[in-house]
Amino acid sequence: DGGITQSPKYLFRKEGQNVTLSCEQNLNHDAMYWYRQDPGQGLRLIYYSQIVNDFQKGDIAEGYSVSREKKESFPLTVTSAQKNPTAFYLCASRGGPPNEQYFGPGTRLTVT
Amino acid sequence: KNQVEQSPQSLIILEGKNCTLQCNYTVSPFSNLRWYKQDTGRGPVSLTIMTFSENTKSNGRYTATLDADTKQSSLHITASQLSDSASYICVVTTSSGGYNKLIFGAGTRLAVHP
Repeated sequence: DGGITQSPKYLFRKEGQNVTLSCEQNLNHDAMYWYRQDPGQGLRLIYYSQIVNDFQKGDIAEGYSVSREKKESFPLTVTSAQKNPTAFYLCASRGGPPNEQYFGPGTRLTVT
Repeated sequence: KNQVEQSPQSLIILEGKNCTLQCNYTVSPFSNLRWYKQDTGRGPVSLTIMTFSENTKSNGRYTATLDADTKQSSLHITASQLSDSASYICVVTTSSGGYNKLIFGAGTRLAVHP
């Protein structure tokens, strides 16, 4: 898992509540990413940030928001607008050489 | 459309046996191809990375091959161990507008039984 931490490992929320997932890295990487993983599907990109104070939407950004106020931190907020929020969320950062993408341990979010 | 297809979806083998996982991709332009191992409930960990000019790369008991002409890759696991039980994900990197995007396969779930 490199130097990337995600917390909490498991998160339970009621429908209609916003929830924020934490991602911290001490690898001094500029680029950070949020992915969503669902059973039987490949990872899908939610948001990414290539530098502090800048971020871009990925393929499935609707219902999510992010901030990048510090190089080390890239929190993801799952809002009530996300239709199917229950999933495994993975944060990653990229740097190097070899310009590799390193993943955190993930947060499993369950919304009922 | 950029896609990465993996087969089989799942596989069960006995400890000590070999196995080969397949990855076909339709990604353009192609930058590199990676194989990741993902243990249940954990983040993926990189096993190998291959560029266009490389057709084989090994990492211990893992050997990846790449045929850029047919756009196929395989991951061969030799003398499997119980700890090899995991999902194996094929990932192809493409570049667009100076940004590298990763296209993920759905993975092959491997179970190694004693």
